[in-house]
Amino acid sequence: DQQVKQNSPSLSVQEGRISILNCDYTNSMFDYFLWYKKYPAEGPTFLISISSIKDKNEDGRFTVFLNKSAKHLSLHIVPSQPGDSAVYFCAASAMWDYGGSQGNLIFGKGTKLSVKP
Amino acid sequence: DSGVTQTPKHLITATGQRVTLRCSPRSGDLSVYWYQQSLDQGLQFLIQYYNGEERAKGNILERFSAQQFPDLHSELNLSSLELGDSALYFCASSAGTSGNEQFFGPGTRLTVL
Repeated sequence: DQQVKQNSPSLSVQEGRISILNCDYTNSMFDYFLWYKKYPAEGPTFLISISSIKDKNEDGRFTVFLNKSAKHLSLHIVPSQPGDSAVYFCAASAMWDYGGSQGNLIFGKGTKLSVKP
Repeated sequence: DSGVTQTPKHLITATGQRVTLRCSPRSGDLSVYWYQQSLDQGLQFLIQYYNGEERAKGNILERFSAQQFPDLHSELNLSSLELGDSALYFCASSAGTSGNEQFFGPGTRLTVL
């Protein structure tokens, strides 16, 4: 039973255009959401996060949008660059205990982004 | 460089064997987390330690165990290994007890033959 879902295994975008990566979740107890980027042979790197009290957080070219009613979040990368090519993981956590995993991250399976020059 | 180190980088062993993976957290971080990433899977949370104490358990098999030492480094012990245990094992650390903004090590790739 996947609590965090990234339904697109891959996404291909032209350099300079917008990349939109989507993530859905099922657990309404989640109150903090993060995006991680992962290059081959490296560990995931924290990219950007958003608390459930906000609906948008921006950091340079990266913006995360949260729609709590739809239990959906998205990561926008504008403009996309070839160096952004990586696997992007969406993760969620709940500050309150829900089965003994309080505060721990639940990850989606990732979306592989390819940015073509 | 996240500041989290993991050794070894690669490990090849046979079924039925036992291995130990090691992790050193970022300086000052008290929490250590272990994750498993199998082929085509996301990162599955295994276990968390905070300042030497087990804090939370995820999908960790009984054949697996972990501990965190007084110097805060952690070891993940995998025993009676099976082919299906072949995976990338990541360690992450954070300052507090919550899972927000964890910093990941480069991982250990375990291959069980």
